[in-house]
Amino acid sequence: TQLLEQSPQFLSIQEGENLTVYCNSSSVFSSLQWYRQEPGEGPVLLVTVVTGGEVKKLKRLTFQFGDARKDSSLHITAAQPGDTGLYLCAGRGGSEKLVFGKGTKLTVNP
Amino acid sequence: EAGVAQSPRYKIIEKRQSVAFWCNPISGHATLYWYQQILGQGPKLLIQFQNNGVVDDSQLPKDRFSAERLKGVDSTLKIQPAKLEDSAVYLCASSLTAGGGVANYGYTFGSGTRLTVV
Repeated sequence: TQLLEQSPQFLSIQEGENLTVYCNSSSVFSSLQWYRQEPGEGPVLLVTVVTGGEVKKLKRLTFQFGDARKDSSLHITAAQPGDTGLYLCAGRGGSEKLVFGKGTKLTVNP
Repeated sequence: EAGVAQSPRYKIIEKRQSVAFWCNPISGHATLYWYQQILGQGPKLLIQFQNNGVVDDSQLPKDRFSAERLKGVDSTLKIQPAKLEDSAVYLCASSLTAGGGVANYGYTFGSGTRLTVV
C-alpha cells in the first residue's frame, strides 16, 4: 500500500508570513496532485506535477515535485486569510489509483 | 459548467438503519469515484466506476456497502445496515479519464454528504 505522509498536520500563522508544507512517501509516484479543501466542501484541484524536479507556480503558491518523484512541497508566500483550508496531496502510483494524504490544516490569522 | 452534484448534504441516522447517497457527475465524465473522508483524515477511495462498470471496489466493505451507476451517469451509494464508524463525509468525484498513461486529469469533487450515525 502506498502511503503519503503530510507535515505538519496543523499550521497556524499570521497574515503575511511564508510557509511550507510537505508530502513524503517511500513510494514512487507517476504524478502528484495538490488539492485545497474548505469546510463543508469537496477538495479542489490546485496543481498536478508529473516530472521529477518539476516546479509549478500558481500566484503565491509554489509546488515542487522531488527529483525521485517520492515527495513534494507546497510553499505559500505572504499568506492571506483566504488561504485557510485543508491542503491535501494525492499521488498516482503503479495501479493508477489516486491515494490521498491526511492533509495539513492551515489557518491564516488576520 | 455545472459541478458534481450530491444529495443530501447532511444525514443523521441511527445505527442499523439504511441510507443512500446520490451523485450526478459532470456531463461527459466517464469515470466516477466514491470516497469516504473520516474527520481528520484524507479521502479514502471506496469504489471507482468507468462508465457503468466497476473498475476498483477493493476497499468497499461489501457486506454493508453497495453502489451502482446505471446508464453510466448518476450513481448511488448505499449503506445497510449502518455502523457508528460509518460516520464520515461521503464524497463523489468525476474525471474525464481514469489516468492510465493519458494526461493526469484532476478529479472534480462534489460538496459531499455528511453522515452521522448515532
